[in-house]
Amino acid sequence: NAGVTQTPKFRILKIGQSMTLQCAQDMNHNYMYWYRQDPGMGLKLIYYSVGAGITDKGEVPNGYNVSRSTTEDFPLRLELAAPSQTSVYFCASTFSAVYEQYFGPGTRLTVT
Amino acid sequence: GENVEQHPSTLSVQEGDSAVIKCTYSDSASNYFPWYKQELGKGPQLIIDIRSNVGEKKDQRIAVTLNKTAKHFSLHITETQPEDSAVYFCAASKVSQGNLIFGKGTKLSVKP
Repeated sequence: NAGVTQTPKFRILKIGQSMTLQCAQDMNHNYMYWYRQDPGMGLKLIYYSVGAGITDKGEVPNGYNVSRSTTEDFPLRLELAAPSQTSVYFCASTFSAVYEQYFGPGTRLTVT
Repeated sequence: GENVEQHPSTLSVQEGDSAVIKCTYSDSASNYFPWYKQELGKGPQLIIDIRSNVGEKKDQRIAVTLNKTAKHFSLHITETQPEDSAVYFCAASKVSQGNLIFGKGTKLSVKP
């Protein structure tokens, strides 16, 4: 099993550009999450999904969009990138809300 | 909704000493309490978890205690080693909740 994979590992965007952060898992987990982590700070939930076709907002959803067309993939879309979106983005997946979450290696995004 | 408070935010100990990190939660219906370790440049990884039907759980040098009445739980690391240096996050959840609620993290430094 590859677990949770994220691409790209690093990305530099100009203000106003858009991009999609990819996340995939091969553990057949229903639940998937996107978090952002600013330097020296904790994890903030952006969006999550409890199954294909179902998504819900987390703590900081503004400026982001998600879709979940398959169990395996959960891409995060940034529209009109802003410097405030400079962060490390982690994707995670789990069997249920009361079981271990498996985190990907992260995507380090800089918006200048 | 659930709120998780974590203390201290930083903790420095000498190698071989014990370290204790404490968390409190607000929702008495929460029944799953994991602890995650995040090493520099990596995603968080589960190190131990406890459910509400258990008061204590141990795994080698790591233990977690849960006091449901007081709504707090603690991580205990004994005989600390330099490789224990990392950021530790506590979290809380329940079956009906789609996501974990994380504390803000504790940066543990173990000095040789």
